Amino acid sequence: SAVISQKPSRDICQRGTSLTIQCQVDSQVTMMFWYRQQPGQSLTLIATANQGSEATYESGFVIDKFPISRPNLTFSTLTVSNMSPEDSSIYLCSVVRQEGQPQHFGDGTRLSIL
Amino acid sequence: AQSVTQPDIHITVSEGASLELRCNYSYGATPYLFWYVQSPGQGLQLLLKYFSGDTLVQGIKGFEAEFKRSQSSFNLRKPSVHWSDAAEYFCAVGVAGFSSSGTYKYIFGTGTRLKVLA
Repeated sequence: SAVISQKPSRDICQRGTSLTIQCQVDSQVTMMFWYRQQPGQSLTLIATANQGSEATYESGFVIDKFPISRPNLTFSTLTVSNMSPEDSSIYLCSVVRQEGQPQHFGDGTRLSIL
Repeated sequence: AQSVTQPDIHITVSEGASLELRCNYSYGATPYLFWYVQSPGQGLQLLLKYFSGDTLVQGIKGFEAEFKRSQSSFNLRKPSVHWSDAAEYFCAVGVAGFSSSGTYKYIFGTGTRLKVLA
């Protein structure tokens, strides 16, 4: 399975600021995803990170709030913009080598907004 | 619409007892099926997967799962639970052609939190 490094592992941020989360994979992968997991809840897909083009966002998530980059097949970033307490969650990066294969997850970023 | 249901939000078992976690899915064809485990403060770890073939699949940590097409189920089992199995368990399906990008989408259940009594 892929080795996924997600940074930072946790952060406490002020309301109105932005934070960029990085996801680095040790080998090229076909698909990269970003999820949000609110306390005690399941995973909600934010977007699919597309290499060299704009990410594909799920309903309820917009690029202005969650800009995503994927400059190559091993790296992606998610920015949480203009944060509010409602953005306090765990943000997870996942990768898939090819469609239909299992996802493999990073350890997540635990984000708290004061 | 495609969905994954885990009917049990919480389950408590004694150490050494057997375990079964339920998962039902709604999808027009046979999806790819997965079980993940999430320990506190950790990411999700893949326990096992089903793509095709033998409907009883073996995974890591002594877990197994059985795919039953007639019941649209993929229940996770373990014959003897260890205290270290206390965690959140997620069932997931991979379905084709239904994501916003038109490619594969992975749908997660709401999770079952397992508590193990000493």
